[in-house]
Amino acid sequence: KNQVEQSPQSLIILEGKNCTLQCNYTVSPFSNLRWYKQDTGRGPVSLTIMTFSENTKSNGRYTATLDADTKQSSLHITASQLSDSASYICVVSAYSGGGADGLTFGKGTHLIIQP
Amino acid sequence: GAGVSQSPSNKVTEKGKDVELRCDPISGHTALYWYRQSLGQGLEFLIYFQGNSAPDKSGLPSDRFSAERTGGSVSTLTIQRTQQEDSAVYLCASSPHAAGYNEQFFGPGTRLTVL
Repeated sequence: KNQVEQSPQSLIILEGKNCTLQCNYTVSPFSNLRWYKQDTGRGPVSLTIMTFSENTKSNGRYTATLDADTKQSSLHITASQLSDSASYICVVSAYSGGGADGLTFGKGTHLIIQP
Repeated sequence: GAGVSQSPSNKVTEKGKDVELRCDPISGHTALYWYRQSLGQGLEFLIYFQGNSAPDKSGLPSDRFSAERTGGSVSTLTIQRTQQEDSAVYLCASSPHAAGYNEQFFGPGTRLTVL
């Protein structure tokens, strides 16, 4: 069964600090992995996407890494800002489609940035 | 351009009543998805429409849930005889084609409360 596990479930850090969120998956055959940011009361918005051959992708202060061998991804946030407070969701896509169009969602990490 | 819109933004209903939730996808997007997000939980896939193909209903939790997509555009999710456990945020997303490598664009969601 395809699964995506994210850790930690929640995280509180001070403004200006860095943090790293983790995503482990057992999705096969792997197509790509995407990180979404979901602000409270809003729908998720895509931050980065990586395919099998990519091991890092940046979007401003957000940097995602992918290790396809160990099936792990991380999202690193540098110099956090209050606006980074949100849930971060890892989504893995399988080539073969199937239910939900081959997408498996993690439960997300709830990040709180404190002033 | 306009993003994905959903209506209503909030719906409070009494147990046993029927509700209809509406999703207007981005114009030209052939793929449309419905998800349910309960408090503290990840996104739960409900149903997926792709062009003129038969919808993937594998995520619908019971026969009280149904959805249709008229003219390949607007979609309506109907929940009959609502139960308290149906309370959640219902998110709609659209994508240019099957999600795969294509980004899903999410609406703001409809928060359903069943009393």
